[in-house]
Amino acid sequence: QKEVEQDPGPLSVPEGAIVSLNCTYSNSAFQYFMWYRQYSRKGPELLMYTYSSGNKEDGRFTAQVDKSSKYISLFIRDSQPSDSATYLCAFNTGGFKTIFGAGTRLFVKA
Amino acid sequence: GAVVSQHPSWVICKSGTSVKIECRSLDFQATTMFWYRQFPKQSLMLMATSNEGSKATYEQGVEKDKFLINHASLTLSTLTVTSAHPEDSSFYICSARDQGTNEKLFFGSGTQLSVL
Repeated sequence: QKEVEQDPGPLSVPEGAIVSLNCTYSNSAFQYFMWYRQYSRKGPELLMYTYSSGNKEDGRFTAQVDKSSKYISLFIRDSQPSDSATYLCAFNTGGFKTIFGAGTRLFVKA
Repeated sequence: GAVVSQHPSWVICKSGTSVKIECRSLDFQATTMFWYRQFPKQSLMLMATSNEGSKATYEQGVEKDKFLINHASLTLSTLTVTSAHPEDSSFYICSARDQGTNEKLFFGSGTQLSVL
């Protein structure tokens, strides 16, 4: 079993749709949960960071963590063409290494 | 958020030459920086962990003599691709860990290397 599973997509949605991106993980030692957005040929940008179960909201973005199910999600409301990018989930135990998902490619059509 | 500057953004070189890529943390100190390689439509592949003042730690399968890493200060790490060959063509990205928040990584903008 992989430590982190993330569907690579691509996921295509119309502008204005609610997008749901998900990752599952197997390592119960993960304490920190992150989402990064990466535009083509650019470095990843930290979008959301959380360390507890529940929801965290920032503008149109909501990160959800369910530690009991080992499942995290990123929701994007009112999606825009500018949201088209690859979204990577990331996990850390509090140590040096961050483990990344494979990334989900999202396309938002105008 | 913290800013990591990576240069150059693009580099084209002839086979057999060496290429140096710089990664700087602009507004924070980073005792640890990471170097990744990314192929098209694939995720990040960790190459090595760069520690200020000590030798880098390379991931399995990464040639340390091929990819030289130097982390001479708390704000600068460099990756040198020595005797580059076409198969080294790739997108290279660095990241830095803010000492104050061990879990957060901040990334540079990446370097596209093309070896002719």
